[in-house]
Parts: sequence; structure tokens; C-alpha cells
Amino acid sequence: EPEVTQTPSHQVTQMGQEVILRCVPISNHLYFYWYRQILGQKVEFLVSFYNNEISEKSEIFDDQFSVERPDGSNFTLKIRSTKLEDSAMYFCASDQKGGGVGYNEQFFGPGTRLTVL
Amino acid sequence: SQKIEQNSEALNIQEGKTATLTCNYTNYSPAYLQWYRQDPGRGPVFLLLIRENEKEKRKERLKVTFDTTLKQSLFHITASQPADSATYLCALTSGNTGKLIFGQGTTLQVKP
Repeated sequence: EPEVTQTPSHQVTQMGQEVILRCVPISNHLYFYWYRQILGQKVEFLVSFYNNEISEKSEIFDDQFSVERPDGSNFTLKIRSTKLEDSAMYFCASDQKGGGVGYNEQFFGPGTRLTVL
Repeated sequence: SQKIEQNSEALNIQEGKTATLTCNYTNYSPAYLQWYRQDPGRGPVFLLLIRENEKEKRKERLKVTFDTTLKQSLFHITASQPADSATYLCALTSGNTGKLIFGQGTTLQVKP
């Protein structure tokens, strides 16, 4: 069964450093998302991406964050200058139809645990 | 303000019983409501989706109801098994971008 993959599974970085989290969504999906989950808290939406552009972003997704689909398979989340409070589990997700008519489920990757020291 | 609330206390039940989890929301008009399962250290896994014009949806031992008047969804697991032990997340879809808004989840523990 097709699945969303994410690398690395765990990333440790120093405060102020740049990190890039990578995701390979399911191949026939068109809508891509990043969520994060701080330990013990709820899963929070960061950004949605369709047709090579951001379709929606949350207040969390400030200028330090960016997303890119550099080729036909990868979807990346970059944090330019990490802060201690960026420590969280970051999940990539994808689906076929987005939020319009005929919306269906999102498929989540296993996550990247980001630890900022 | 907009809120999604799930009973935050862990739910402990005996194997074979029916587990019922609650999701309440305020100041949303979701077109869809979904339930996901999350195991420790893993990503959410989709279970069921119910649309605003549907009252009930079933899949094997799972049943979801959706009451847009009460602004509530109930999630039932019948004949529960220890393998059903996990955190269950309620999620709303709002808008056209596919964004999911999650509740904080309810942890279910099924004892043999």
C-alpha cells in the first residue's frame, strides 16, 4: 500500500541553525500539508500546498518557514533559524482532492522529531 | 473563539465492551468531520469521515455519528480489543484548502 515517507526520523540542531525536513507524498496525490505536534499537545496545521503554491498557512507559519516541491516527488519544509520552541514532531500529509467537493482522507507520514538545543 | 473539545481524561474500558468517545465543537460549520487514530510517536491514521448531511457512518467495528445541531460527533468502537488502545483524534475540515483542525485527542486503554 502506498505511504507517505519522511526523512530524517529525528533531527537534532542548534538554535539559530537552518533545517530542512523532507517528505515524499503518495505519488498520485495533489495536495500536500505540514502539521506539527509539540510533545503532549494537539496536532496543529502549518501549511497547505497545491499546484506549486501555498493555499493556506497558519499563524505559526511565519517568515522563518518555507515549503517547496523541488521536483515531482519531494515536498520540503525549511526552518531558516530554529528556535527552542520549534522542537516538535513534524508531520507531512497528502491527499487526492483537497478540501473541495469529494474531499477524502489525508495520509500522514511517520513524522520527523525535531529537537532544537 | 473556535474550539474543538474531546474528553481529555483517558478512557479505560474492559475488553469486549463498547468505547464511546466524544468530540464537541463551537463556532465552526464544518463540511466534514474525521476521526484518526494516533499511536505513540507515530503519525495520525485515518479511520472514518462523515459529511454534514450524514447522521451515521459505519466501518467494521467502528461507528461515527454527527449532529450538526448539537455540534457533536460520537465515535464508537464495539467489541473493543487491547489492540484498540491508542489516542483517537477528531478533526474538522474548514474551508477549501483541506486544512484539518484537530482536537487534543482522547486516549483509550482497553484492558484484557
